[in-house]
Amino acid sequence: NAGVMQNPRHLVRRRGQEARLRCSPMKGHSHVYWYRQLPEEGLKFMVYLQKENIIDESGMPKERFSAEFPKEGPSILRIQQVVRGDSAAYFCASSVSGTGGNEQYFGPGTRLTVT
Amino acid sequence: DAKTTQPTSMDCAEGRAANLPCNHSTISGNEYVYWYRQIHSQGPQYIIHGLKNNETNEMASLIITEDRKSSTLILPHATLRDTAVYYCIVRVPGATNKLIFGTGTLLAVQP
Repeated sequence: NAGVMQNPRHLVRRRGQEARLRCSPMKGHSHVYWYRQLPEEGLKFMVYLQKENIIDESGMPKERFSAEFPKEGPSILRIQQVVRGDSAAYFCASSVSGTGGNEQYFGPGTRLTVT
Repeated sequence: DAKTTQPTSMDCAEGRAANLPCNHSTISGNEYVYWYRQIHSQGPQYIIHGLKNNETNEMASLIITEDRKSSTLILPHATLRDTAVYYCIVRVPGATNKLIFGTGTLLAVQP
């Protein structure tokens, strides 16, 4: 059973470009979460999605960031007009449900570097 | 979600049990205790979770005190590969399932 997959693993973008990060949840999981880890800092929640719906986006920056989880295909975290401060590791996690003692399983992350 | 308090760092000899404490004195009755770890630069890894009873799986054991104000994660035979930051998180699974990571405990397993 494949785990959570993220691609690309490393992404380099120049300031002003767009970054698209993809996350394929574990098989059978319909809940996806995105977290960000800035250099030398802790993990911060960004957004929680269930198929085609954003459930909680309280951790998303108000501008330039968006996320989606379409009916078919992976979840996408999109960062428009990237700036150096967006350089970080972005982790995706998935869970089978949103209730009960559901555990989240994390992918290996995408390391974004903005030059 | 209740706040947790963990020691900043701990050492453990390889092959010995590692006991990682966590205080969550303001935990409410329906909040679960979760443990995750992050090995350097990798994605966090789920370890174990529990509500009231002690739990054990192939990775670790979780001991929750009767009043639920604290818990201990036990790695029975620590190896060098267990060196990581360990996070204790308490939360109520519900409409929002975000995990709030604190600073965790850096466990260094020594040869």
